[in-house]
Amino acid sequence: GAVVSQHPSRVICKSGTSVKIECRSLDFQATTMFWYRQFPKQSLMLMATSNEGSKATYEQGVEKDKFLINHASLTLSTLTVTSAHPEDSSFYICSARSQTIGAEQYFGPGTRLTVT
Amino acid sequence: AQKITQTQPGMFVQEKEAVTLDCTYDTSDPSYGLFWYKQPSSGEMIFLIYQGSYDQQNATEGRYSLNFQKARKSANLVISASQLGDSAMYFCAMREGNQAGTALIFGKGTTLSVSS
Repeated sequence: GAVVSQHPSRVICKSGTSVKIECRSLDFQATTMFWYRQFPKQSLMLMATSNEGSKATYEQGVEKDKFLINHASLTLSTLTVTSAHPEDSSFYICSARSQTIGAEQYFGPGTRLTVT
Repeated sequence: AQKITQTQPGMFVQEKEAVTLDCTYDTSDPSYGLFWYKQPSSGEMIFLIYQGSYDQQNATEGRYSLNFQKARKSANLVISASQLGDSAMYFCAMREGNQAGTALIFGKGTTLSVSS
Protein backbone atom coordinates (compact mmCIF):
# COMPACT_ATOMS: atom_id res chain seq x y z
CA GLY A 1 0.00 0.00 0.00
CA ALA A 2 0.87 3.66 -0.14
CA VAL A 3 3.45 4.94 2.31
CA VAL A 4 3.63 8.15 4.27
CA SER A 5 6.79 8.96 6.18
CA GLN A 6 7.42 11.40 8.98
CA HIS A 7 10.64 12.83 10.30
CA PRO A 8 11.76 12.94 13.01
CA SER A 9 10.06 10.11 14.87
CA ARG A 10 11.01 11.60 18.23
CA VAL A 11 12.24 15.02 19.20
CA ILE A 12 13.04 16.67 22.50
CA CYS A 13 13.41 20.41 22.52
CA LYS A 14 13.71 23.18 25.05
CA SER A 15 10.89 25.55 25.82
CA GLY A 16 10.92 28.54 23.50
CA THR A 17 12.55 26.82 20.55
CA SER A 18 10.92 25.79 17.28
CA VAL A 19 10.61 22.31 15.86
CA LYS A 20 9.91 21.28 12.27
CA ILE A 21 8.20 18.01 11.42
CA GLU A 22 8.22 16.70 7.86
CA CYS A 23 5.54 14.55 6.26
CA ARG A 24 6.18 12.90 2.90
CA SER A 25 4.03 10.75 0.67
CA LEU A 26 6.59 8.34 -0.77
CA ASP A 27 4.79 6.71 -3.66
CA PHE A 28 1.84 8.90 -4.46
CA GLN A 29 0.98 12.53 -4.90
CA ALA A 30 -1.14 14.24 -2.29
CA THR A 31 -2.61 17.65 -2.97
CA THR A 32 -3.98 17.55 0.56
CA MET A 33 -2.38 16.37 3.76
CA PHE A 34 -3.81 16.43 7.24
CA TRP A 35 -2.15 17.08 10.57
CA TYR A 36 -3.47 15.52 13.76
CA ARG A 37 -2.42 15.77 17.38
CA GLN A 38 -2.92 13.02 19.90
CA PHE A 39 -2.48 13.26 23.67
CA PRO A 40 -1.88 10.06 25.65
CA LYS A 41 -4.85 7.70 25.76
CA GLN A 42 -6.93 10.14 23.69
CA SER A 43 -8.23 10.36 20.18
CA LEU A 44 -6.66 11.98 17.16
CA MET A 45 -7.71 15.59 16.89
CA LEU A 46 -7.52 17.29 13.51
CA MET A 47 -5.33 20.37 13.69
CA ALA A 48 -5.25 21.53 10.09
CA THR A 49 -5.65 20.61 6.48
CA SER A 50 -2.61 21.31 4.36
CA ASN A 51 -3.16 22.21 0.73
CA GLU A 52 -0.39 22.16 -1.84
CA GLY A 53 0.41 25.64 -3.05
CA SER A 54 -2.03 27.45 -0.79
CA LYS A 55 -2.63 28.32 2.83
CA ALA A 56 -3.55 25.65 5.30
CA THR A 57 -6.99 25.49 6.85
CA TYR A 58 -6.86 25.36 10.62
CA GLU A 59 -9.43 23.87 12.95
CA GLN A 60 -11.09 26.03 15.53
CA GLY A 61 -8.86 26.62 18.52
CA VAL A 62 -5.59 25.83 16.71
CA GLU A 63 -3.24 28.82 16.56
CA LYS A 64 -2.04 29.24 13.01
CA ASP A 65 0.86 31.45 14.08
CA LYS A 66 2.07 28.80 16.47
CA PHE A 67 1.63 25.79 14.20
CA LEU A 68 3.00 26.83 10.83
CA ILE A 69 2.16 24.54 7.96
CA ASN A 70 3.80 24.59 4.57
CA HIS A 71 2.84 22.30 1.71
CA ALA A 72 5.36 23.22 -0.92
CA SER A 73 5.09 20.17 -3.16
CA LEU A 74 2.74 17.31 -3.95
CA THR A 75 4.73 15.00 -1.70
CA LEU A 76 5.85 17.15 1.22
CA SER A 77 4.11 19.02 4.00
CA THR A 78 5.83 20.46 7.04
CA LEU A 79 4.53 21.44 10.47
CA THR A 80 6.60 23.85 12.51
CA VAL A 81 5.79 24.25 16.17
CA THR A 82 7.06 27.71 17.01
CA SER A 83 8.10 28.85 20.48
CA ALA A 84 7.25 25.44 21.87
CA HIS A 85 6.01 25.07 25.41
CA PRO A 86 5.61 21.96 27.57
CA GLU A 87 1.89 21.85 26.83
CA ASP A 88 2.74 21.35 23.15
CA SER A 89 4.25 17.99 24.04
CA SER A 90 2.19 15.48 22.13
CA PHE A 91 2.13 12.90 19.36
CA TYR A 92 1.76 14.55 15.96
CA ILE A 93 0.55 12.44 13.05
CA CYS A 94 0.22 13.41 9.44
CA SER A 95 -2.05 11.78 6.92
CA ALA A 96 -2.66 11.90 3.20
CA ARG A 97 -4.99 10.47 0.67
CA SER A 98 -4.07 9.50 -2.84
CA GLN A 99 -6.28 10.92 -5.52
CA THR A 100 -6.02 7.72 -7.50
CA ILE A 101 -5.57 4.77 -5.16
CA GLY A 102 -8.96 4.80 -3.47
CA ALA A 103 -10.81 5.74 -0.35
CA GLU A 104 -8.12 4.85 2.16
CA GLN A 105 -6.34 7.58 4.06
CA TYR A 106 -2.71 6.80 4.83
CA PHE A 107 -0.99 7.81 8.03
CA GLY A 108 2.59 8.55 8.85
CA PRO A 109 4.22 6.80 11.81
CA GLY A 110 3.91 9.91 13.96
CA THR A 111 6.32 12.24 15.73
CA ARG A 112 6.55 12.31 19.48
CA LEU A 113 7.41 15.81 20.63
CA THR A 114 8.61 16.47 24.15
CA VAL A 115 9.19 20.04 25.24
CA THR A 116 11.26 20.46 28.38
CA ALA B 1 -22.85 16.84 18.76
CA GLN B 2 -20.20 14.22 18.33
CA LYS B 3 -19.86 12.88 14.85
CA ILE B 4 -18.40 9.55 15.91
CA THR B 5 -19.27 7.86 19.19
CA GLN B 6 -17.45 4.91 20.66
CA THR B 7 -19.06 4.07 23.98
CA GLN B 8 -16.67 1.35 25.13
CA PRO B 9 -13.49 2.80 26.67
CA GLY B 10 -12.16 -0.72 27.19
CA MET B 11 -13.01 -4.23 26.12
CA PHE B 12 -11.62 -7.54 27.30
CA VAL B 13 -11.70 -10.78 25.34
CA GLN B 14 -10.02 -14.16 25.51
CA GLU B 15 -7.93 -15.54 22.71
CA LYS B 16 -9.88 -17.21 19.91
CA GLU B 17 -13.11 -15.54 20.89
CA ALA B 18 -14.93 -12.96 18.77
CA VAL B 19 -15.38 -9.38 19.93
CA THR B 20 -17.54 -6.49 18.73
CA LEU B 21 -16.42 -2.90 19.06
CA ASP B 22 -19.25 -0.41 18.83
CA CYS B 23 -19.38 2.72 16.74
CA THR B 24 -22.22 5.08 15.94
CA TYR B 25 -22.02 8.08 13.69
CA ASP B 26 -23.93 11.21 12.90
CA THR B 27 -24.10 12.87 9.52
CA SER B 28 -26.64 14.38 7.19
CA ASP B 29 -24.45 13.86 4.13
CA PRO B 30 -25.76 10.94 2.05
CA SER B 31 -22.22 10.16 0.89
CA TYR B 32 -19.76 9.18 3.56
CA GLY B 33 -17.16 6.60 4.41
CA LEU B 34 -16.55 4.75 7.63
CA PHE B 35 -13.15 3.46 8.67
CA TRP B 36 -11.64 1.43 11.44
CA TYR B 37 -8.00 1.80 12.46
CA LYS B 38 -5.88 -0.09 14.94
CA GLN B 39 -3.26 1.77 16.95
CA PRO B 40 -0.79 -0.40 18.89
CA SER B 41 1.45 1.06 21.56
CA SER B 42 3.97 2.06 18.88
CA GLY B 43 1.52 4.72 17.75
CA GLU B 44 1.21 3.82 14.10
CA MET B 45 -2.27 3.90 12.63
CA ILE B 46 -3.08 0.63 10.90
CA PHE B 47 -5.99 0.66 8.47
CA LEU B 48 -8.33 -2.26 9.02
CA ILE B 49 -11.51 -1.85 7.04
CA TYR B 50 -13.64 0.59 5.06
CA GLN B 51 -17.36 0.85 4.39
CA GLY B 52 -18.89 3.29 1.95
CA SER B 53 -22.36 4.63 2.58
CA TYR B 54 -23.61 3.27 -0.71
CA ASP B 55 -22.04 -0.15 -0.33
CA GLN B 56 -24.75 -2.80 -0.34
CA GLN B 57 -22.77 -5.44 1.49
CA ASN B 58 -20.94 -5.33 4.77
CA ALA B 59 -17.20 -4.99 4.35
CA THR B 60 -14.93 -7.86 5.34
CA GLU B 61 -11.14 -8.10 5.50
CA GLY B 62 -9.82 -11.36 6.83
CA ARG B 63 -10.76 -11.61 10.51
CA TYR B 64 -12.34 -8.16 10.45
CA SER B 65 -15.87 -7.44 9.42
CA LEU B 66 -17.95 -4.33 9.66
CA ASN B 67 -21.55 -4.65 10.76
CA PHE B 68 -23.04 -1.71 8.90
CA GLN B 69 -26.56 -0.76 9.94
CA LYS B 70 -27.34 2.37 8.00
CA ALA B 71 -30.73 3.12 9.52
CA ARG B 72 -29.27 2.90 13.00
CA LYS B 73 -26.15 4.80 11.92
CA SER B 74 -23.91 2.18 13.39
CA ALA B 75 -20.72 0.63 12.05
CA ASN B 76 -19.52 -1.93 14.55
CA LEU B 77 -16.24 -3.76 14.03
CA VAL B 78 -16.27 -7.50 14.59
CA ILE B 79 -12.96 -9.25 15.15
CA SER B 80 -13.23 -13.00 14.91
CA ALA B 81 -10.82 -15.45 16.55
CA SER B 82 -9.01 -12.82 18.62
CA GLN B 83 -5.24 -13.04 18.91
CA LEU B 84 -2.88 -11.63 21.52
CA GLY B 85 -1.54 -9.27 18.90
CA ASP B 86 -4.97 -7.70 18.56
CA SER B 87 -4.46 -5.90 21.87
CA ALA B 88 -4.42 -2.23 20.91
CA MET B 89 -6.50 0.92 20.69
CA TYR B 90 -9.18 0.84 17.99
CA PHE B 91 -10.60 3.94 16.39
CA CYS B 92 -13.71 4.37 14.31
CA ALA B 93 -13.60 7.28 11.88
CA MET B 94 -15.79 8.93 9.29
CA ARG B 95 -15.23 11.02 6.21
CA GLU B 96 -18.18 13.02 4.98
CA GLY B 97 -18.40 13.31 1.22
CA ASN B 98 -15.75 11.75 -0.99
CA GLN B 99 -13.37 14.53 -1.81
CA ALA B 100 -9.66 14.05 -1.27
CA GLY B 101 -9.55 17.23 0.78
CA THR B 102 -11.91 16.02 3.49
CA ALA B 103 -10.32 14.79 6.70
CA LEU B 104 -11.26 11.80 8.79
CA ILE B 105 -12.97 12.55 12.07
CA PHE B 106 -12.21 10.06 14.82
CA GLY B 107 -14.09 8.63 17.75
CA LYS B 108 -12.51 8.49 21.19
CA GLY B 109 -11.36 4.93 20.71
CA THR B 110 -11.70 1.60 22.45
CA THR B 111 -8.82 -0.18 24.14
CA LEU B 112 -8.99 -3.90 23.42
CA SER B 113 -7.16 -6.31 25.68
CA VAL B 114 -6.82 -9.93 24.58
CA SER B 115 -5.81 -12.47 27.18
CA SER B 116 -4.62 -16.05 26.86
